[in-house]
Amino acid sequence: GEDVEQSLFLSVREGDSSVINCTYTDSSSTYLYWYKQEPGAGLQLLTYIFSNMDMKQDQRLTVLLNKKDKHLSLRIADTQTGDSAIYFCAESMRNQGGKLIFGQGTELSVKP
Amino acid sequence: KAGVTQTPRYLIKTRGQQVTLSCSPISGHRSVSWYQQTPGQGLQFLFEYFSETQRNKGNFPGRFSGRQFSNSRSEMNVSTLELGDSALYLCASSLRTSGSNEQYFGPGTRLTVT
Repeated sequence: GEDVEQSLFLSVREGDSSVINCTYTDSSSTYLYWYKQEPGAGLQLLTYIFSNMDMKQDQRLTVLLNKKDKHLSLRIADTQTGDSAIYFCAESMRNQGGKLIFGQGTELSVKP
Repeated sequence: KAGVTQTPRYLIKTRGQQVTLSCSPISGHRSVSWYQQTPGQGLQFLFEYFSETQRNKGNFPGRFSGRQFSNSRSEMNVSTLELGDSALYLCASSLRTSGSNEQYFGPGTRLTVT
């Protein structure tokens, strides 16, 4: 079935690395996405990874995908206070067109 | 290039009324998807339109409907509003080609039903 799970909260110190985790259940996932939502705003696409890839790096962001365990993570290097937000992982599936299945979101709090 | 725009940004309606929300996609994008975001249920897919045709539909009652125009702009309508319809309604646009199908979201319409 379709289910995406995330831990709800993460707190880090400014300058540390943050790792946000996500697990999904559907093996027909094609792409997996990370979105960021700041208070009162829509969702900002951060990065995405094809389900056959293991890793993708984009500046301070590193996405790791373990397809066997259906586990996805987003690492933010040198976390800044401006990174404080809610982070959502989402999956798209074969033959489901534009439908994204979202996790509950992880609230990242960065303390100075 | 301008982003996805949604109007209105905020709306207050009374139970039993109906409401229409509008979404203008990024220029050149032909696919528009709608999502409902609530604290309890999170982000849930409503429907997707591509070239004026509904391509996919989420698990919502028939009170929720939508359409897409020839210029790719989309509207969604909710009839006979209930208190539980209070939510942030987000639309997203994409090129809808085969492949990654990145979706770009608008700022949302905050609907409050009293």
